[in-house]
Amino acid sequence: LAKTTQPISMDSYEGQEVNITCSHNNIATNDYITWYQQFPSQGPRFIIQGYKTKVTNEVASLFIPADRKSSTLSLPRVSLSDTAVYYCLVGGAGGGNKLTFGTGTQLKVEL
Amino acid sequence: GAVVSQHPSWVICKSGTSVKIECRSLDFQATTMFWYRQFPKQSLMLMATSNEGSKATYEQGVEKDKFLINHASLTLSTLTVTSAHPEDSSFYICSGEAGLAGVGADTQYFGPGTRLTVL
Repeated sequence: LAKTTQPISMDSYEGQEVNITCSHNNIATNDYITWYQQFPSQGPRFIIQGYKTKVTNEVASLFIPADRKSSTLSLPRVSLSDTAVYYCLVGGAGGGNKLTFGTGTQLKVEL
Repeated sequence: GAVVSQHPSWVICKSGTSVKIECRSLDFQATTMFWYRQFPKQSLMLMATSNEGSKATYEQGVEKDKFLINHASLTLSTLTVTSAHPEDSSFYICSGEAGLAGVGADTQYFGPGTRLTVL
């Protein structure tokens, strides 16, 4: 299982763009990169997933360089409600793949 | 799509009793479900992988006789904490694996969690 490394915490203000970078130097060829958001006392919520280059959906963008050894989750114009823990995980495309959660990044958004 | 429910959302029980937690995939079929445990201020820890119609695979250090997992159908997995003790108090979260359009790989979708408090 590829290990991921993220900053423990980040602070931001409402309206700013937040970029959270994750390192996964040992990512395997068939691994995808998935980001989750977790609020206290709730299960993680799927945000975005990608394999290479750039992926964008209605809530975030995911940037993956060519070597795929890192990835950056970009949250445009954050609000107070984006205060949460964000987890970066890597895993294979097939079924039955176990996920190893790292420490995640605690994002705190202030006024 | 890919909604997972858990029941109950919280439970308080006396030491020595058994508690069953249900995990259901509401709008998809999950051949594989996973059970996690999360202690306060910590990350999720995988307890076991549950496959429909077969025995669960437990992670190292997780007692299979204490945490009984049954995955009887493609939409339901249950976790029973037998003879619960205060140290079993934790937040238990399940996930179902689904492959959805627009998402490249089979992805885990998580339930809302169950808070277990053992007195």
